[in-house]
Amino acid sequence: AQSVTQPDARVTVSEGASLQLRCKYSYSGTPYLFWYVQYPRQGLQLLLKYYSGDPVVQGVNGFEAEFSKSNSSFHLRKASVHWSDSAVYFCVLSAGSSGSWQLIFGSGTQLTVMP
Amino acid sequence: EAAVTQSPRNKVAVTGGKVTLSCNQTNNHNNMYWYRQDTGHGLRLIHYSYGAGSTEKGDIPDGYKASRPSQENFSLILELATPSQTSVYFCASGDPRNNQAPLFGEGTRLSVL
Repeated sequence: AQSVTQPDARVTVSEGASLQLRCKYSYSGTPYLFWYVQYPRQGLQLLLKYYSGDPVVQGVNGFEAEFSKSNSSFHLRKASVHWSDSAVYFCVLSAGSSGSWQLIFGSGTQLTVMP
Repeated sequence: EAAVTQSPRNKVAVTGGKVTLSCNQTNNHNNMYWYRQDTGHGLRLIHYSYGAGSTEKGDIPDGYKASRPSQENFSLILELATPSQTSVYFCASGDPRNNQAPLFGEGTRLSVL
């Protein structure tokens, strides 16, 4: 069965520091992977997506993620965080075929950026 | 511009009443989803649809029905609302085959008193 694991429920970093949020997936097919961010009392906004090709994908606001098939991972990174990056981050796997797709969510990582 | 629109944005209902949450997408996506989000539980899938006329049960379908009368519209129905259904509900649509990432609505805050 397919699954997504975000092992870190909460991450705290200082402003200006680098960031890595971890995501591991389990899926036997070709994965479509996404990172979303959710600010308080808002919906989910797409940060970046991976379908195929270059394993390092660039997203909005300086975020990037690296896909590793061998490690079944899709970790999110940012070189220098800002206080406004404080939010909940979700790793999402889209699994399926022939037009029938399910979305499998990780449990989310609450990021707090300290000034 | 591609979008997912939910209505209402906020709803207060009485126990035992009927509640209908509506979702409209202008993205021509085949797949649509309803989730609820509660503190400590992340997003949990209630119902989903692969296209007009289809509905499928998700992980927590009890107490909910869904309706997909057209490609654009996907409704979530609470026939007899209970306080345990107080939550934030999100609708999403997606079609990865066309390199289109899933899009989410802004959410509906439902309180059942």
